[in-house]
Amino acid sequence: EAQVTQNPRYLITVTGKKLTVTCSQNMNHEYMSWYRQDPGLGLRQIYYSMNVEVTDKGDVPEGYKVSRKEKRNFPLILESPSPNQTSLYFCASSLERVSSYEQYFGPGTRLTVT
Amino acid sequence: EDKVVQSPLSLVVHEGDTVTLNCSYEVTNFRSLLWYKQEKKAPTFLFMLTSSGIEKKSGRLSSILDKKELFSILNITATQTGDSAIYLCGIGNEKLTFGTGTRLTIIP
Repeated sequence: EAQVTQNPRYLITVTGKKLTVTCSQNMNHEYMSWYRQDPGLGLRQIYYSMNVEVTDKGDVPEGYKVSRKEKRNFPLILESPSPNQTSLYFCASSLERVSSYEQYFGPGTRLTVT
Repeated sequence: EDKVVQSPLSLVVHEGDTVTLNCSYEVTNFRSLLWYKQEKKAPTFLFMLTSSGIEKKSGRLSSILDKKELFSILNITATQTGDSAIYLCGIGNEKLTFGTGTRLTIIP
C-alpha cells in the first residue's frame, strides 16, 4: 500500500531534550516536506526537500533541522525543543515539485513539550 | 512573502445547501493553487489549478481560479454531513504556503 508513515504518532517530552520524528514514504517520491499545524495559524511548512541531499527552508524553519540522505526518509530533528514547538506535525511527499503534483500526507505526530 | 487568505474562517449550513469558500493570495512566483480537505486527520488532495478560468470539477465539488484578481473559489453543491471538514487553500511553487483554512460544518 502506498503511504507516508511517521513515528512516533504521539510524543510528550521536556524542554531541551533532543528528539527526532521519522518520516518514510514508499512511493519513490522526490519531494518531501514537513508541516506544523496550530489552531488559528493553519498548516505551515517547516522544511522541504526536492531530492536526496537537497533541502530548503519553508516558512517556519527556526528550531528545526532536517536531512535527506535517502530518497524514502526525511526525519525532522528538534535539537532543543521548547514549549512553543508543541504542535501537530505532518510529513508529506509528492512525485515531484509540490506545485505540479498532489501531496500525500502522513497521519501526523502530536508533540507536546513541557 | 507569499500570503494566502481564506474566508470565511468558519461556516455552518444545513444539509443540501450550496456553499462557496474563498481563497485570495499574494505570491511572487505563482505556479499553482491547491485545495485540500482535512477531516479529523491528514489533509487529502482535492484540486490543483494552474490556469485562469478553467473549472475543475469532481462530483459536487468544483473550483475555479482567477489569476488576474488573484483568487479562487471552491463550490460545494447539495452539501452532505460528510463534507464537514476544514478546507485548506495553498499556493505552490517550490514550497507550499497554506491559508488558515475554512471550517465547514454541515447540520443534518
